[in-house]
This record gives sequence, structure tokens and C-alpha cells, in this order.
Amino acid sequence: DIVMTQSPLSLPVTPGEPASISCRSSQSLLDSDGYNFLDWFLQRPGQSPQLLIYLGSHRASGVPDRFRGSGSGTDFTLEISRVEAEDVGVYYCMQNLQTPLTFGGGTKVEIK
Amino acid sequence: EVQLVESGGDWVQPGGSLRLSCAASGFTVSNYYMSWVRQFPGKGLDWVSVIYTRGSTLYAASVKGRFTISRDSSKNTLYLHMNSLRTEDTAVYFCARGGNGTTLDSWGRGTLVTVSS
Repeated sequence: DIVMTQSPLSLPVTPGEPASISCRSSQSLLDSDGYNFLDWFLQRPGQSPQLLIYLGSHRASGVPDRFRGSGSGTDFTLEISRVEAEDVGVYYCMQNLQTPLTFGGGTKVEIK
Repeated sequence: EVQLVESGGDWVQPGGSLRLSCAASGFTVSNYYMSWVRQFPGKGLDWVSVIYTRGSTLYAASVKGRFTISRDSSKNTLYLHMNSLRTEDTAVYFCARGGNGTTLDSWGRGTLVTVSS
């Protein structure tokens, strides 16, 4: 199984400031067509996960452009350019290159 | 608008059975990969199973042989049949549209399964 490792575990942020979350996979998520099968989700308190970024860097419909996904192969980053209060919650990365789909342990973003 | 609504979660004793349902609207279930994902209390996410458009299925090792994923096209509904339930199956179960090679782009709100004596 592909192991997904996220850091940090917890991220206190100041509104208006940038934030960055790292995700590393135990094997490359880059396929032969050049796609990285890495997605990012946000789970707000009491809600189900919501897709933010797919294929490593593509924003899902309705996701603000302050969210940016980058990286390739085994190392990926989710950046929020200017954190807003509605961005609090737990962020997960997930690989969907192969089954079993596997998730990172999550990064809890909270306002300072 | 795409919507997924799970139901069927309940308290059950170890060794018991349960069937979860996921009613879909806004799209046709049989035209997409569909997955079940669970979330253990206070913890992260754990993929459970996928059913492909052609009807083939795959399972996580922890549930293989005990859980069965299926769909009813006439009802546009996804199911998860769970047998021989264990305390470690206690979780919120989400259905999601997508699977390997396609992202999980829509999720239901989840249904709670509690396995306890």
C-alpha cells in the first residue's frame, strides 16, 4: 500500500497570512501520461470532506484561487495564500493512483 | 446538483450485520466509480471499497470477505452490506463519487455505525 505522510500535524495561522501543508507519498504518484494522482480535501468541523485540489494542482469547481496545489512524484504542497476564518478544519491529502486509496493523517488548521 | 445521502447506520453487536444505503441525485450512479470511505472516531479517513462502472468491485484488506458493495440502478442507490461486524468497524461511513484514477469529487454527510456489546 502507498503510505501518505503529512506535516505538520497542527498549524495555527493568523488570518491574512499564508499557510503551507506538506504531503509525501511512499512511491511516485506520477503516471506515464504525466498526471500526479494526488488530491487535497478540507474537512470543516462537523462536515464531510470537500475536494479542493485534484491531480496535484487543479482546483475543484468553486474553490477560491487562494488555494494552490503543487509538487510531483512523491512530494506535494498545499498553499493558502491568505488564510481566512472559513479555512479552519482538517486538511487531508489522498493518493488515487491505485487501490487501496490512502490518505495522509491530516493537518489541523486553526486560527491563532 | 450532485447529492449523496447515506442512511442505515445504527448500533449493532459484534458479529452482527448492517446494510448502508447511499441515495444519489443529480447524476447516474452506474456511470461513475463509487466508493465507501470511513472515518474512525476522532481520527482520519480509511477507504473501504469501490464499485466500477462495469460492476466489478475491490475492497480494503480489513473488510474483504465481510463487506459487499453493490448498486441498484433503478433506485440510483449505492449499498454497503456489512457482515461479521467488529468493534473496530465503528466509524462514520461516507459514500463518495469516484475511485482509483478518478478523484472523490462529491461526498455524502455520512452515517454512523457503532459496533459494541
